Amino acid sequence: AQSVTQLDSHVSVSEGTPVLLRCNYSSSYSPSLFWYVQHPNKGLQLLLKYTSAATLVKGINGFEAEFKKSETSFHLTKPSAHMSDAAEYFCVVSESTDTGNQFYFGTGTSLTVIP
Amino acid sequence: DAGVTQSPTHLIKTRGQQVTLRCSPKSGHDTVSWYQQALGQGPQFIFQYYEEEERQRGNFPDRFSGHQFPNYSSELNVNALLLGDSALYLCASSSLRASDSSTDTQYFGPGTRLTVL
Repeated sequence: AQSVTQLDSHVSVSEGTPVLLRCNYSSSYSPSLFWYVQHPNKGLQLLLKYTSAATLVKGINGFEAEFKKSETSFHLTKPSAHMSDAAEYFCVVSESTDTGNQFYFGTGTSLTVIP
Repeated sequence: DAGVTQSPTHLIKTRGQQVTLRCSPKSGHDTVSWYQQALGQGPQFIFQYYEEEERQRGNFPDRFSGHQFPNYSSELNVNALLLGDSALYLCASSSLRASDSSTDTQYFGPGTRLTVL
């Protein structure tokens, strides 16, 4: 079975400073990994996806994530935080079977950006 | 190109009542998944529909049921509502018939906020 652990429930950064949101996963095979963002009272927006083509994945809004198999990690980073980045971030692992695919969500990391 | 749409946006029910939530998938998608997101929690998988059949199910009781129509839209039904069913219900669509690696990418709707009193 798949599982995802987001190591920080809350992260606070100053505007213009780097962002690091940490995620570790458990998977019995090469997984598909995702980061989604959820702004208050909104649905989930796909930031980026890893599917084994490249270990460093670039997403939208300047975010990127690096897949490290040896560490079973998929941390999300951004060089410079913007006020609009304040939101809830979810790391997700996908399990695909013959009958479909199921998402396993982490518990989320709330990002606060201080002006 | 319309994304995933859900209706209604908000709903208030009382304990014991029944509710139906609706979802239209993104254009070109054939698979719909439903998730329950309690306040302050990550989404929990309820079930997934493809070709009008329930293909996978999470750890939810039989009070939660669904349906997928020939046009790929879907409904989530919850019977005998409990206070604990209050949550944001998210619908996500994907395409199992895609020929590339996008088959497992899910796109989410804005959700339906259900409050049970």
